[in-house]
Amino acid sequence: EIVLTQSPGTLSLSPGERATLSCRASQSVSSRFLAWYQQKPGQAPRLLIYGASSRATGIPDRFSGIGSGTDFTLTISRLEPEDFAVYYCQQYGSSPITFGQGTRLEIK
Amino acid sequence: EMHLVESGGGLVKPGGSLRLSCAASGFTFSSYVMTWVRQAPGKGLDWVSSITSSGSYIYYAGSVKGRFTISRDNTKNSVHLQMDSLRAEDTAVYYCARIGPGGDYYYYMDVWGKGTTVTVSS
Repeated sequence: EIVLTQSPGTLSLSPGERATLSCRASQSVSSRFLAWYQQKPGQAPRLLIYGASSRATGIPDRFSGIGSGTDFTLTISRLEPEDFAVYYCQQYGSSPITFGQGTRLEIK
Repeated sequence: EMHLVESGGGLVKPGGSLRLSCAASGFTFSSYVMTWVRQAPGKGLDWVSSITSSGSYIYYAGSVKGRFTISRDNTKNSVHLQMDSLRAEDTAVYYCARIGPGGDYYYYMDVWGKGTTVTVSS
């Protein structure tokens, strides 16, 4: 199975700053089948990005995704207070689907 | 608006059984693959099982194969997870989720329920 490694484990930033989150796969993710989710405490995950770079319905354009092969990045251009959460990447290019261990984005 | 509501979680002893249910509304349930994903306390997300739109094809993670059974009732817009021979390591919040449009049993999930908590402990 494909192992996804997210970095950093924790990212401390201030509102208004730019956040860059990384997701590296142990083998190539076919057809850029990679998604990103946001999860706040006590809540379910919310789909942000699919197909490596397509924003899900209702997701603000400050969220963007890029990448292919084994390296993928989620960028939040200008952090809003509600963006501080845990972010997970997920690959669905091969079975079984797998998730990264998450990056915690916290307020500095 | 699309909704998924899980129920059936609780405290169960090791070796026991539990049946989770997920009620769907706001979309054409019979057109979508459905899945269960779990999250152990303080841990990440872990795919459990998926069932195709008609129920013809079913898939399980290796960790639950032979112990869990997924099923769906398209007349009642519901999906279920029968969990037998439960172990301490099955303790988690269990989320019901919809697989994105056109997706196979492994794809991204675009609609999630709030989850139901399963605790396996003596």
